[in-house]
Formats: sequence, structure tokens, C-alpha cells
Amino acid sequence: DGGITQSPKYLFRKEGQNVTLSCEQNLNHDAMYWYRQDPGQGLRLIYYSQIVNDFQKGDIAEGYSVSREKKESFPLTVTSAQKNPTAFYLCASSIGHTGYQPQHFGDGTRLSIL
Amino acid sequence: EDQVTQSPEALRLQEGESSSLNCSYTVSGLRGLFWYRQDPGKGPEFLFTLYSAGEEKEKERLKATLTKKESFLHITAPKPEDSATYLCAVKENTGFQKLVFGTGTRLLVSP
Repeated sequence: DGGITQSPKYLFRKEGQNVTLSCEQNLNHDAMYWYRQDPGQGLRLIYYSQIVNDFQKGDIAEGYSVSREKKESFPLTVTSAQKNPTAFYLCASSIGHTGYQPQHFGDGTRLSIL
Repeated sequence: EDQVTQSPEALRLQEGESSSLNCSYTVSGLRGLFWYRQDPGKGPEFLFTLYSAGEEKEKERLKATLTKKESFLHITAPKPEDSATYLCAVKENTGFQKLVFGTGTRLLVSP
């Protein structure tokens, strides 16, 4: 079955540590996204990529970095510069970025601070 | 700034008791309005896309409608398995075309 796989499901970060969240899709979608979900807030866009080797900052990119070396993979690194990283992180993909196509989501990674 | 407001924040229904969830939005031009269902600890699951005022989409007990300023998600004779958070998101027809999400409505259906 086609879908989006995020790993790990739970992740713990120590002070000063960088951690990387994995996102893989086998839907053959060009566009991929990272969102952050906090209680009582709507999903907020961290980064997005419309095509391999290209990505753009979203609304809350500070303290995060991404890469898009392969069409099916879009890993997110939460750096030590992100002072409030505790959240539920969601990866999504869509056929294209513009247009009417919906975004489809993985099942998330919950990041906590040790 | 684009805004998406969902109401109510939480809704408790008895099984079989129909109701509606509201999503009001302000965008310069609507590219699409999207409804998602999210279960605890899971990612949002896509339900519907609505493109223009007057449009309606149905799926089992759910029916989504769209006007120029808001969308409704009608739930007919809900069952306990319909319990979830329902998210609304809009895409503007200009510029970056990002999705702007509301904060969701938590629905609990009791047997």
C-alpha cells in the first residue's frame, strides 16, 4: 500500500543535541512538507519542498533544517537552536504544491526533551 | 492575514444525534477548502476537498458544504467510531498557496 512513513514514533532529545526525524513516501509525490502540531494550535508549516534538491522555509523554520536528495525522502533535523522542540511533528506529501491536490499525512513523530 | 476558525472547540453527541461542525475562513481567493479527520496520536486523514461556493461532498455519514465565507461538516446519525478531531484547512489562490489550518473540533460520540 502506498503511504507516508515517519520514524521514530517517539523521540527524546537531550540539551544541545541535534535529532533527525525521518519521512519516506512511496506515493510518487513531488511535494513534501513538515508541520509542527502543538495543543490548541493549528498545524504550522516548518519547511516544504516542491522538487528534489529544492526546499523553502515555512512560517517557523528557525532551529530546523531539511534536505531533499531523493524524491521519496524528506528528513527534518531539529537543531539545538530550537529552544522549544517538544511537539508532534507531521510529514505530508502531495502530487504538486499548487493546485487542488490534497496533502496526505504520515502518523507523526512525538519529540520530547529529556 | 488568512484566518481559519473552527467551532465549536468540542462537541459531545449521543449516538444517532446529528449535528454540524463549522469552519469560517478569510482568504483573498479560495483555491480549495480541505477537511481532515485526526485520531489521537495519528496524522490527519484526508476526507474532502471543496472548490467553490455551493459545492457539496458526501462520504458515509459525513457531508461537507461550502459557502463564500464558511464550510459545514454535517454528521448524520453519528456512531462512536466517528469520535475524532476534525480539522479544516484552506488554500489561498495567490502567492505561496500554503495550507492554513484551523485548531479543530474534538467530537465525542457516546453509545
